[in-house]
Amino acid sequence: SQKIEQNSEALNIQEGKTATLTCNYTNYSPAYLQWYRQDPGRGPVFLLLIRENEKEKRKERLKVTFDTTLKQSLFHITASQPADSATYLCALGPSGGYQKVTFGTGTKLQVIP
Amino acid sequence: NAGVTQTPKFRILKIGQSMTLQCTQDMNHNYMYWYRQDPGMGLKLIYYSVGAGITDKGEVPNGYNVSRSTTEDFPLRLELAAPSQTSVYFCASSYGKGGPLPTVRGDTQYFGPGTRLTVL
Repeated sequence: SQKIEQNSEALNIQEGKTATLTCNYTNYSPAYLQWYRQDPGRGPVFLLLIRENEKEKRKERLKVTFDTTLKQSLFHITASQPADSATYLCALGPSGGYQKVTFGTGTKLQVIP
Repeated sequence: NAGVTQTPKFRILKIGQSMTLQCTQDMNHNYMYWYRQDPGMGLKLIYYSVGAGITDKGEVPNGYNVSRSTTEDFPLRLELAAPSQTSVYFCASSYGKGGPLPTVRGDTQYFGPGTRLTVL
Protein backbone atom coordinates (compact mmCIF):
# COMPACT_ATOMS: atom_id res chain seq x y z
CA SER A 1 0.00 0.00 0.00
CA GLN A 2 1.02 3.61 -0.45
CA LYS A 3 3.14 5.03 2.31
CA ILE A 4 4.36 8.55 2.94
CA GLU A 5 6.96 9.16 5.61
CA GLN A 6 7.86 12.43 7.22
CA ASN A 7 10.10 12.69 10.23
CA SER A 8 7.74 12.44 13.17
CA GLU A 9 10.29 13.95 15.52
CA ALA A 10 10.31 17.72 15.81
CA LEU A 11 13.12 19.55 14.08
CA ASN A 12 14.76 22.26 16.18
CA ILE A 13 16.92 24.74 14.38
CA GLN A 14 18.67 27.98 15.23
CA GLU A 15 17.35 31.19 13.71
CA GLY A 16 19.18 32.12 10.53
CA LYS A 17 20.08 28.54 9.62
CA THR A 18 18.57 26.49 6.80
CA ALA A 19 15.89 24.03 7.82
CA THR A 20 15.57 20.87 5.71
CA LEU A 21 12.51 18.64 5.96
CA THR A 22 12.17 15.26 4.25
CA CYS A 23 9.24 13.50 2.62
CA ASN A 24 9.77 9.90 1.50
CA TYR A 25 7.23 7.70 -0.22
CA THR A 26 6.86 4.09 -1.30
CA ASN A 27 4.49 2.14 -3.56
CA TYR A 28 3.47 5.37 -5.26
CA SER A 29 4.27 7.21 -8.49
CA PRO A 30 2.89 10.69 -7.88
CA ALA A 31 2.39 13.17 -10.68
CA TYR A 32 3.11 16.01 -8.30
CA LEU A 33 3.94 16.80 -4.73
CA GLN A 34 2.74 19.66 -2.57
CA TRP A 35 3.95 21.18 0.67
CA TYR A 36 1.57 22.76 3.17
CA ARG A 37 2.13 24.64 6.40
CA GLN A 38 -0.11 24.06 9.41
CA ASP A 39 -0.16 26.24 12.51
CA PRO A 40 -1.66 24.97 15.78
CA GLY A 41 -5.45 25.06 15.73
CA ARG A 42 -5.61 25.98 12.05
CA GLY A 43 -6.07 24.28 8.72
CA PRO A 44 -3.14 23.61 6.38
CA VAL A 45 -2.07 26.37 4.01
CA PHE A 46 -0.60 25.61 0.58
CA LEU A 47 3.03 26.62 0.00
CA LEU A 48 4.48 24.99 -3.11
CA LEU A 49 3.73 22.44 -5.81
CA ILE A 50 6.37 20.54 -7.78
CA ARG A 51 5.65 18.22 -10.70
CA GLU A 52 7.28 14.86 -11.40
CA ASN A 53 9.29 16.30 -14.28
CA GLU A 54 10.64 19.17 -12.21
CA LYS A 55 13.77 18.82 -10.10
CA GLU A 56 13.51 22.00 -8.07
CA LYS A 57 11.08 24.79 -7.30
CA ARG A 58 11.72 28.00 -5.39
CA LYS A 59 9.54 30.62 -3.78
CA GLU A 60 11.20 33.37 -1.78
CA ARG A 61 13.08 31.59 1.08
CA LEU A 62 11.51 28.23 0.24
CA LYS A 63 13.01 25.56 -1.99
CA VAL A 64 11.58 22.15 -2.83
CA THR A 65 13.34 19.31 -4.63
CA PHE A 66 11.72 16.19 -6.05
CA ASP A 67 13.72 13.04 -6.82
CA THR A 68 11.48 10.39 -8.34
CA THR A 69 14.35 7.88 -8.39
CA LEU A 70 14.94 8.20 -4.65
CA LYS A 71 11.20 8.69 -4.10
CA GLN A 72 11.95 11.69 -1.97
CA SER A 73 11.23 15.40 -1.67
CA LEU A 74 13.27 17.83 0.37
CA PHE A 75 11.82 21.10 1.65
CA HIS A 76 14.26 23.83 2.58
CA ILE A 77 13.69 27.09 4.43
CA THR A 78 16.70 29.36 4.21
CA ALA A 79 17.46 32.08 6.77
CA SER A 80 14.86 30.53 9.05
CA GLN A 81 12.89 32.77 11.42
CA PRO A 82 10.89 32.02 14.58
CA ALA A 83 7.77 32.82 12.52
CA ASP A 84 8.57 29.76 10.38
CA SER A 85 7.82 27.53 13.37
CA ALA A 86 4.92 25.28 12.35
CA THR A 87 4.13 21.78 11.15
CA TYR A 88 4.88 21.14 7.49
CA LEU A 89 2.93 18.53 5.56
CA CYS A 90 3.79 16.97 2.24
CA ALA A 91 1.01 15.73 -0.01
CA LEU A 92 1.30 13.51 -3.08
CA GLY A 93 -1.06 13.79 -5.99
CA PRO A 94 -1.92 11.11 -8.54
CA SER A 95 -1.60 11.37 -12.29
CA GLY A 96 -4.57 11.83 -14.63
CA GLY A 97 -5.75 15.14 -13.23
CA TYR A 98 -7.73 13.35 -10.54
CA GLN A 99 -7.34 15.39 -7.42
CA LYS A 100 -7.23 13.06 -4.47
CA VAL A 101 -3.97 13.75 -2.73
CA THR A 102 -2.48 11.71 0.08
CA PHE A 103 -1.02 13.61 3.03
CA GLY A 104 1.96 12.76 5.16
CA THR A 105 1.82 13.06 8.95
CA GLY A 106 3.89 16.25 8.98
CA THR A 107 7.08 17.42 10.65
CA LYS A 108 7.04 20.03 13.37
CA LEU A 109 9.67 22.71 12.92
CA GLN A 110 10.78 24.87 15.82
CA VAL A 111 13.06 27.82 15.03
CA ILE A 112 14.90 28.96 18.13
CA PRO A 113 15.78 32.67 18.41
CA ASN B 1 -13.65 36.26 -0.03
CA ALA B 2 -14.19 34.40 3.22
CA GLY B 3 -12.63 31.28 1.69
CA VAL B 4 -13.71 28.06 3.39
CA THR B 5 -15.78 28.44 6.54
CA GLN B 6 -16.73 25.70 8.99
CA THR B 7 -19.18 25.60 11.85
CA PRO B 8 -19.11 24.88 14.70
CA LYS B 9 -15.53 25.37 15.91
CA PHE B 10 -15.97 23.05 18.86
CA ARG B 11 -18.56 20.47 19.83
CA ILE B 12 -18.98 17.82 22.48
CA LEU B 13 -21.33 14.96 21.68
CA LYS B 14 -22.59 12.07 23.71
CA ILE B 15 -22.28 8.57 22.33
CA GLY B 16 -25.16 7.85 19.98
CA GLN B 17 -25.99 11.47 19.21
CA SER B 18 -25.98 12.83 15.67
CA MET B 19 -24.81 16.12 14.25
CA THR B 20 -23.95 17.92 11.04
CA LEU B 21 -20.69 19.75 10.46
CA GLN B 22 -21.23 22.63 8.09
CA CYS B 23 -18.80 23.70 5.36
CA THR B 24 -19.19 26.54 2.88
CA GLN B 25 -16.81 27.95 0.30
CA ASP B 26 -17.23 31.15 -1.71
CA MET B 27 -14.48 30.58 -4.30
CA ASN B 28 -16.71 28.75 -6.80
CA HIS B 29 -14.55 25.65 -6.45
CA ASN B 30 -15.75 22.43 -8.02
CA TYR B 31 -14.06 20.00 -5.65
CA MET B 32 -14.68 19.76 -1.94
CA TYR B 33 -13.29 17.40 0.68
CA TRP B 34 -13.73 16.32 4.27
CA TYR B 35 -10.71 15.17 6.27
CA ARG B 36 -10.15 14.12 9.83
CA GLN B 37 -6.89 14.65 11.62
CA ASP B 38 -5.91 12.68 14.70
CA PRO B 39 -2.81 13.43 16.81
CA GLY B 40 0.34 12.07 15.15
CA MET B 41 -1.62 10.96 12.12
CA GLY B 42 -1.93 12.51 8.73
CA LEU B 43 -5.07 13.94 7.23
CA LYS B 44 -7.42 11.11 6.34
CA LEU B 45 -9.92 11.68 3.56
CA ILE B 46 -13.49 10.88 4.62
CA TYR B 47 -15.55 11.94 1.60
CA TYR B 48 -15.08 14.15 -1.40
CA SER B 49 -17.17 15.74 -4.12
CA VAL B 50 -16.24 16.75 -7.64
CA GLY B 51 -19.33 18.85 -8.17
CA ALA B 52 -22.90 19.46 -7.05
CA GLY B 53 -24.80 16.20 -6.80
CA ILE B 54 -21.66 14.04 -6.96
CA THR B 55 -19.99 12.56 -3.90
CA ASP B 56 -17.70 9.62 -3.29
CA LYS B 57 -16.06 7.80 -0.42
CA GLY B 58 -12.55 8.48 0.69
CA GLU B 59 -10.28 6.43 2.91
CA VAL B 60 -12.36 6.42 6.13
CA PRO B 61 -16.08 6.92 5.28
CA ASN B 62 -17.70 4.61 7.83
CA GLY B 63 -19.98 6.41 10.25
CA TYR B 64 -20.30 9.51 8.07
CA ASN B 65 -22.51 10.79 5.28
CA VAL B 66 -22.33 13.78 2.99
CA SER B 67 -24.41 15.63 0.44
CA ARG B 68 -23.59 18.29 -2.12
CA SER B 69 -26.76 20.04 -3.27
CA THR B 70 -24.98 23.28 -4.19
CA THR B 71 -21.48 24.23 -5.32
CA GLU B 72 -20.92 26.19 -2.11
CA ASP B 73 -21.99 23.77 0.62
CA PHE B 74 -20.71 20.35 1.63
CA PRO B 75 -22.10 19.27 5.01
CA LEU B 76 -20.79 16.21 6.84
CA ARG B 77 -23.28 14.17 8.84
CA LEU B 78 -22.31 12.01 11.80
CA GLU B 79 -24.90 9.42 12.73
CA LEU B 80 -24.69 7.59 16.06
CA ALA B 81 -21.51 9.27 17.25
CA ALA B 82 -18.82 7.01 18.71
CA PRO B 83 -15.67 7.85 20.73
CA SER B 84 -13.58 6.79 17.72
CA GLN B 85 -14.96 9.83 15.90
CA THR B 86 -13.27 12.20 18.35
CA SER B 87 -11.00 14.19 16.06
CA VAL B 88 -10.41 17.49 14.31
CA TYR B 89 -12.37 17.75 11.08
CA PHE B 90 -11.23 19.87 8.18
CA CYS B 91 -13.17 20.82 5.11
CA ALA B 92 -11.24 21.82 1.99
CA SER B 93 -11.95 22.87 -1.56
CA SER B 94 -10.04 23.14 -4.81
CA TYR B 95 -10.75 24.57 -8.23
CA GLY B 96 -10.71 21.26 -10.03
CA LYS B 97 -9.51 19.95 -13.34
CA GLY B 98 -7.83 22.58 -15.43
CA GLY B 99 -6.69 20.05 -18.00
CA PRO B 100 -4.73 16.80 -18.23
CA LEU B 101 -1.78 18.11 -16.25
CA PRO B 102 -1.88 19.26 -12.65
CA THR B 103 -1.83 22.98 -12.20
CA VAL B 104 -1.11 24.99 -9.12
CA ARG B 105 -4.51 26.59 -9.37
CA GLY B 106 -6.38 23.35 -9.99
CA ASP B 107 -4.86 21.18 -7.32
CA THR B 108 -4.24 23.58 -4.48
CA GLN B 109 -6.54 22.77 -1.61
CA TYR B 110 -7.88 25.55 0.56
CA PHE B 111 -8.72 24.45 4.07
CA GLY B 112 -11.22 25.70 6.60
CA PRO B 113 -10.27 26.39 10.23
CA GLY B 114 -11.48 23.02 11.45
CA THR B 115 -14.03 21.66 13.88
CA ARG B 116 -12.79 20.00 17.07
CA LEU B 117 -15.23 17.24 17.97
CA THR B 118 -15.20 15.23 21.18
CA VAL B 119 -17.49 12.23 21.67
CA LEU B 120 -17.92 11.15 25.29
